[in-house]
Amino acid sequence: EAQVTQNPRYLITVTGKKLTVTCSQNMNHEYMSWYRQDPGLGLRQIYYSMNVEVTDKGDVPEGYKVSRKEKRNFPLILESPSPNQTSLYFCASSQGLKNEQFFGPGTRLTVL
Amino acid sequence: GEDVEQSLFLSVREGDSSVINCTYTDSSSTYLYWYKQEPGAGLQLLTYIFSNMDMKQDQRLTVLLNKKDKHLSLRIADTQTGDSAIYFCAESIDAGRRALTFGSGTRLQVQP
Repeated sequence: EAQVTQNPRYLITVTGKKLTVTCSQNMNHEYMSWYRQDPGLGLRQIYYSMNVEVTDKGDVPEGYKVSRKEKRNFPLILESPSPNQTSLYFCASSQGLKNEQFFGPGTRLTVL
Repeated sequence: GEDVEQSLFLSVREGDSSVINCTYTDSSSTYLYWYKQEPGAGLQLLTYIFSNMDMKQDQRLTVLLNKKDKHLSLRIADTQTGDSAIYFCAESIDAGRRALTFGSGTRLQVQP
């Protein structure tokens, strides 16, 4: 089954404790992206990757890092989480000009 | 600028038609999308329309695009309780970054 998976689905942590949210897709897509969803703001892009070892900032990259060492994986790293990073995070992947993005199930992060 | 606007809430009775509206500001959009988000789930792509089309029909879904007014709508015929969800419109404007710009979502409530 074609899918995008994320782990963990739920995470509660404290300010300053480094964390990683993993994302994996099995569709051999070149493009992957991270979004955060906040009430009343829709989804905003954090970082994206056009292919292995190619990443770039989206609209709200501050406080986040990513890496793309393999085509299927695109982890999101928060080196020193802060409460304003409490949000619902989605990973997505796509291929082709139509840019039909497939989304993971989401990771709800709470930073205390 | 990049701005996508939607009304926040729509309530309909089962069996009626639902029309969810969206306005966007960037005339360079290439594709426009409708996504559905059920509680606790990720975003599911429902349908999309290319910017040179006026209408697209897919089973119970009809998408209308008015490029002059920058207005997009999604009509769901014979609305069912399973259609209750949040619906997001999104536009793809940056072919390089492949970011989708989302509206804040319309919550559709279907009453039996």
